Amino acid sequence: EVQLVDSGGGLVQPGGSLRLSCAASGFTFSNYYMTWVRQAPGKGLEWVANMNQDGREKNYVDSVKGRFTISRDNAENSLFLQMNSLRAEDTAVYYCARYQIYGSGNYIIFLDYWGQGTLVTVSS
Amino acid sequence: DIQLTQSPSFLSASVGDRVTITCRASQGINSYLAWYQQEPGIAPKLLIYAATTLQSGVPSRFSGSGSGTEFTLTISSLQPEDFATYYCQQLKSYPITFGQGTRLEIK
Repeated sequence: EVQLVDSGGGLVQPGGSLRLSCAASGFTFSNYYMTWVRQAPGKGLEWVANMNQDGREKNYVDSVKGRFTISRDNAENSLFLQMNSLRAEDTAVYYCARYQIYGSGNYIIFLDYWGQGTLVTVSS
Repeated sequence: DIQLTQSPSFLSASVGDRVTITCRASQGINSYLAWYQQEPGIAPKLLIYAATTLQSGVPSRFSGSGSGTEFTLTISSLQPEDFATYYCQQLKSYPITFGQGTRLEIK
């Protein structure tokens, strides 16, 4: 059974840092892109970042570029999000998700499994 | 960035009703569109990918159509467990974006 377990959220002051983790099981982690999506309280979904299988390709939404870093440890089946210089507007539930991509030319892409989410609150 | 606009933002319907949610993209995205269902406090669940393909395990009352800039999600006969918020998502280009959501409530 595919499982993604998010952890590492908490209360942090503006300007502070936090590292989120996502522990994967039930599939060959190293074969998949992975992604982070967040949801501010009472708001919609926002894609944050993704990474390919070997970590060489990383993409970020503009609002977190230079502050957040996505990484992975394929030996430990884990995905991470290092968040620095946190702002109040980063307050959200953060979900990791498996990013399914296959095909050639016309790709098939979707997020098929999600973690339960971890809440990050940035406040003084 | 590609903007996705869902309509309506709020929908009130009854069990057994047929409902349709529309998602319009600000530029063509071929069929790089997915639909998700989210219940309060729970992670989103994939319903449809590649605009029209039903994810394994999702009931057949859900269907997706469209290509290019206009897409629809249809629920043929609403069940009590379908009252939730629905999001479309484009994966054609970065940044990946979501629609603002459609909240479906019981009339």
